[in-house]
Amino acid sequence: DIVMTQSPDSLAVSLGERATINCKSSQSVLYSSNNKNYLAWYQQKPGQPPKLLISWASARESGVPDRFSGSGSGTDFTLTISSLQAEDVAVYYCQEYYRTPYTFGQGTKLEIK
Amino acid sequence: QVQLVQSGAEVKKPGASVKVSCKASGYTFIGNTIHWVRQAPGQRLEWMGWINAGNGNTRYSQKFQGRVTITRDTSATSAYMELSSLTSEDTAVYYCARDPRQYDSGYFDYWGQGTLVTVSS
Repeated sequence: DIVMTQSPDSLAVSLGERATINCKSSQSVLYSSNNKNYLAWYQQKPGQPPKLLISWASARESGVPDRFSGSGSGTDFTLTISSLQAEDVAVYYCQEYYRTPYTFGQGTKLEIK
Repeated sequence: QVQLVQSGAEVKKPGASVKVSCKASGYTFIGNTIHWVRQAPGQRLEWMGWINAGNGNTRYSQKFQGRVTITRDTSATSAYMELSSLTSEDTAVYYCARDPRQYDSGYFDYWGQGTLVTVSS
């Protein structure tokens, strides 16, 4: 199985500041035949299911604010929130879908400083 | 709008089975794959398997092979996940989630609200 490791486990950022969450996979999730990274990011607020933010490592879903961006390739990925808003307090997960069983990172808890 | 509505919370005894339903609306049910993902307390999200709602093909995580069965009823636009031989380690919130494509792409664009399954003697 591919192991997904996020860092940090928790993060406190001031309103309006940048938040950066990292995700590392135990093997590459870049499919060479189409040059796509099989990596998604989700946001989960308490008592709610996860919400898809980004697929293919950097493709923002419709309706997701443009302060959210994804980057990286191969084994190292980053989710960046450019200017933290109060409603962004949540746990964030990365997920690989390169091969089954699809696996998730352990989550990063984002709070307001 | 796309909605996945799951059945209610369950309490089961060790060794029993549980069947969770997921009713889809707001899109053409047979046009997408449905996945099942669980989240145990304090644990990361865990993918269990998928069903192609169009042709009924399934694929399961090896971890759950032999214990999990995913089915669908196209007339009811619903998918079902049955897990047998329950232990306390199966206590978790179980989610159904839609794949954006008919054939498994592996990520999930809409999620059900979750169903808490508690296994306790």
